[in-house]
Amino acid sequence: GAGVSQSPRYKVTKRGQDVALRCDPISGHVSLYWYRQALGQGPEFLTYFNYEAQQDKSGLPNDRFSAERPEGSISTLTIQRTEQRDSAMYRCASSSRTGDRRVAFGSGTRLTVV
Amino acid sequence: KNQVEQSPQSLIILEGKNCTLQCNYTVSPFSNLRWYKQDTGRGPVSLTIMTFSENTKSNGRYTATLDADTKQSSLHITASQLSDSASYICVVSSASKIIFGSGTRLSIRP
Repeated sequence: GAGVSQSPRYKVTKRGQDVALRCDPISGHVSLYWYRQALGQGPEFLTYFNYEAQQDKSGLPNDRFSAERPEGSISTLTIQRTEQRDSAMYRCASSSRTGDRRVAFGSGTRLTVV
Repeated sequence: KNQVEQSPQSLIILEGKNCTLQCNYTVSPFSNLRWYKQDTGRGPVSLTIMTFSENTKSNGRYTATLDADTKQSSLHITASQLSDSASYICVVSSASKIIFGSGTRLSIRP
């Protein structure tokens, strides 16, 4: 596709349920980043991948959060046993490894835990 | 540790005034630095991208500077408009990753 695609756009879930958020990066982009933003706040880094390898997961808040990118393309961020404090906009970004390393952002998934 | 720190966290100015936002980084090795504008509920939009050899770059009323020696960048907004109200995010690329600043929330008052 032309840009970074995320799905779903909106997700409302009951506390305690698991959710899976999907990111489809720009074709050929090696690096993929997950971050989240609470309303009115700056981005909070979660994790990133180069190809299929998870390079840094230091930003994942706790062990309920996990991410994978098994084939080095689409990535899934999974939140288990969701809590209300998990409510945020979850964004994905991808970038190339060569040239100007253009960074592209997805439109995000707005997660609301009720 | 690779870090990007932005200041101030938030800023309120009157329409028509100028302002300057700061971004300090400790990312190494440095590849490039970008400033993004993010309106509430929207995705970030790129304003400027600067590489090691560039000291200043303008995009309309936005002017970014980069001092690679001190690892500091600034974004200067001239003659602010109400539509400039947004979060401004500094993103620094190294050879292997990109690091996001937490942003400056700018509010323009009429």
